[in-house]
Amino acid sequence: EAGVAQSPRYKIIEKRQSVAFWCNPISGHATLYWYQQILGQGPKLLIQFQNNGVVDDSQLPKDRFSAERLKGVDSTLKIQPAKLEDSAVYLCASSLGPSSGAGELFFGEGSRLTVL
Amino acid sequence: AQSVAQPEDQVNVAEGNPLTVKCTYSVSGNPYLFWYVQYPNRGLQFLLKYITGDNLVKGSYGFEAEFNKSQTSFHLKKPSALVSDSALYFCAVRPGGYNKLIFGAGTRLAVHP
Repeated sequence: EAGVAQSPRYKIIEKRQSVAFWCNPISGHATLYWYQQILGQGPKLLIQFQNNGVVDDSQLPKDRFSAERLKGVDSTLKIQPAKLEDSAVYLCASSLGPSSGAGELFFGEGSRLTVL
Repeated sequence: AQSVAQPEDQVNVAEGNPLTVKCTYSVSGNPYLFWYVQYPNRGLQFLLKYITGDNLVKGSYGFEAEFNKSQTSFHLKKPSALVSDSALYFCAVRPGGYNKLIFGAGTRLAVHP
């Protein structure tokens, strides 16, 4: 079974530039999550989707971050304009059942962003 | 506020010795509890979870964890550590009836030959 796919693995940009990350979850997984992991910290949830609807985006900096999950499958996370503090690994995860259930999350390998 | 604490930034253990990585939580309701492991430049991998029932749960790679409701803890254990167990370990909690998974800050496990 194919895992969660993310791209690009690495991205270096200058501040005020824009960047987009792509995620393809495990086939059939209804719930998709984007986490931000800053060096030395645990993952912080940015946004989660149930099919193509947003369940929680309370910690998404909406002035610069946006995400969509068209057709309830792939998802894109965009940052525009980027700030230095956005340097982090962006992890995509998916789970089979609802986000309130007991199912574990399956993570992609992450996209490491460096903002100069 | 809902929170998860991993009180040790790093745990050092000799190969062959037992290991414990600690996790305590403060959440509402009956939580679901998880452990994940992260190897360098990789995503998080699921190790084990506690939903209900037996307080001792077994997971991947010989790891197990003990749920203690009175102490609100979910410590990760392994009877005999391997050098290959060296990685970053995250405890995560989903409070009862809540759709957000909350992660601890992580504990780096270093197993020395």
